[in-house]
Amino acid sequence: EDQVTQSPEALRLQEGESSSLNCSYTVSGLRGLFWYRQDPGKGPEFLFTLYSAGEEKEKERLKATLTKKESFLHITAPKPEDSATYLCAVQASNQFYFGTGTSLTVIP
Amino acid sequence: DTGVSQNPRHKITKRGQNVTFRCDPISEHNRLYWYRQTLGQGPEFLTYFQNEAQLEKSRLLSDRFSAERPKGSFSTLEIQRTEQGDSAMYLCASSSKRGTELFFGEGSRLTVL
Repeated sequence: EDQVTQSPEALRLQEGESSSLNCSYTVSGLRGLFWYRQDPGKGPEFLFTLYSAGEEKEKERLKATLTKKESFLHITAPKPEDSATYLCAVQASNQFYFGTGTSLTVIP
Repeated sequence: DTGVSQNPRHKITKRGQNVTFRCDPISEHNRLYWYRQTLGQGPEFLTYFQNEAQLEKSRLLSDRFSAERPKGSFSTLEIQRTEQGDSAMYLCASSSKRGTELFFGEGSRLTVL
């Protein structure tokens, strides 16, 4: 069964304290792995797509990496405005499977 | 074009009433998805359209739910005889024929009393 698991469920960081979020997946025929940011009461905002193991993408303080079984979202020197829920999704055929997200809080 | 548009943003209804949500995708996107999201959970797939054809439906989509995409442009999601368990955020997303990324709207939050 296709599955996406994110850890930790919640993460509290001090401003400037770097960390990583994990997304592990089991899916047949992976077509892509996606990271989204979601603010409370809003729709998910697209961040990155990764297609193959070894691929990396960066945007400001965020860097996403992909292996054959998991992806990491590295947050370097986070700021309070990075506080949000980060969702991971995988695409198999025409369906997208989402994890339950990691709720990140960055304390000033 | 400013992205995927959904309305209404919020809907409060009494149990047993019917509700309809509308989604206007990004104009050049031919693929449209509906998801449901409850608090603390990730989005759950409901249904998918390519142009006007509804190609996949989740088991979550009971016979009280119906979705349409006439003319392959906007889409509607109707829930008949609403139940309290239908309370959730209903998200619409679209993607282009070439791209695989989903772009989401702001969602329509349904509260069933």
